[in-house]
Amino acid sequence: DVKVTQSSRYLVKRTGEKVFLECVQDMDHENMFWYRQDPGLGLRLIYFSYDVKMKEKGDIPEGYSVSREKKERFSLILESASTNQTSMYLCASSLFGQGALETQYFGPGTRLLVL
Amino acid sequence: GDSVTQMEGPVTLSEEAFLTINCTYTATGYPSLFWYVQYPGEGLQLLLKATKADDKGSNKGFEATYRKETTSFHLEKGSVQVSDSAVYFCALSDPGSGTYKYIFGTGTRLKVLA
Repeated sequence: DVKVTQSSRYLVKRTGEKVFLECVQDMDHENMFWYRQDPGLGLRLIYFSYDVKMKEKGDIPEGYSVSREKKERFSLILESASTNQTSMYLCASSLFGQGALETQYFGPGTRLLVL
Repeated sequence: GDSVTQMEGPVTLSEEAFLTINCTYTATGYPSLFWYVQYPGEGLQLLLKATKADDKGSNKGFEATYRKETTSFHLEKGSVQVSDSAVYFCALSDPGSGTYKYIFGTGTRLKVLA
């Protein structure tokens, strides 16, 4: 069965802290994605990766960085958390190709609160 | 650029009512279209998809037809159940854009009352 797991379901951090969100997929997928989900805005792409050590900026990369050292793991890093980064963060993966025919598989999400 | 517009929610229906959630898109190429569903406390999961004009995607009693002439992909179900209460997202992926990106709509919350 397809599985994408995220390290935490809920996280509370202080302003200025460095925050790591981890995502692991067990499907040998090439592509991995980080989104944030906010009411009224839907899903917005932060970063994606189409191969190990490869990354590309999405629509809202400011304030975030990512790391993909192994194929199955894609980390999202908030270098200095701010209150406007309070959100639901969703990780997804897909098999290969340019995504047109590829289903994205999502993790359960991490709800981050920055105080 | 590419975009997806879906109807504002929330949509509240009684059990066994007919459901339509509207979705229209703009794209430069020939996109594939998707409906994803997010149940409370969970991530998104694929509900159905269509990859070319006039294709009909269907799953769990839901269906949507890819209409190129009206640039639409409306989601329908003949008889909703309480268990269908969730947030529904329309999305597209456009290979002509040269990226791996999906474009998601803002989501429509459905609440079904017993």
